[in-house]
Amino acid sequence: KAGVTQTPRYLIKTRGQQVTLSCSPISGHRSVSWYQQTPGQGLQFLFEYFSETQRNKGNFPGRFSGRQFSNSRSEMNVSTLELGDSALYLCASRSGDTQYFGPGTRLTVL
Amino acid sequence: AQTVTQSQPEMSVQEAETVTLSCTYDTSESDYYLFWYKQPPSRQMILVIRQEAYKQQNATENRFSVNFQKAAKSFSLKISDSQLGDAAMYFCALYEYGNKLVFGAGTILRVKS
Repeated sequence: KAGVTQTPRYLIKTRGQQVTLSCSPISGHRSVSWYQQTPGQGLQFLFEYFSETQRNKGNFPGRFSGRQFSNSRSEMNVSTLELGDSALYLCASRSGDTQYFGPGTRLTVL
Repeated sequence: AQTVTQSQPEMSVQEAETVTLSCTYDTSESDYYLFWYKQPPSRQMILVIRQEAYKQQNATENRFSVNFQKAAKSFSLKISDSQLGDAAMYFCALYEYGNKLVFGAGTILRVKS
């Protein structure tokens, strides 16, 4: 089976812009979670989607949003980008209790 | 609240030697799952090993094994016959059904040749 894919792999944006990241889970997996990884804060949970419904949400401002489509692909959106949003964004698809991660999207905000 | 603590920011091991990475956690649940993930410089998060809390037997995957002490809430990872390719950041993580995956701060493992 193909693994979790994320696009794009790298992004450079400027403050105030908006960005959309995409994640395709492993075939058959219906749960997708998003994480933000920074040197200072480590790995932080953003949200989880299961069958197009948000099941869990982390402690992030409303500028961070997501959605899941009927084919289980997920997108996350960050509006009004701030310098502190620069991070590696990881997507994971879950089968049972185990999460499998994609390669991540490296977002740089200038 | 779930918490995961990795008290070793960095560890070093000589090639072919054995190293143990420590992890402690806290949860009020009796049924949960523990994981070790490896993140090499490529930043791809790779699953190393999985442990079900209700199983007393320690999980093993080739050169990787865990020492799971449920009462002490301890979950250490032992890497035997260390290889250069084992050099990475290692994360301990805790999962409860219906909840999120919670990670520790990570331990950087350096392998010396």
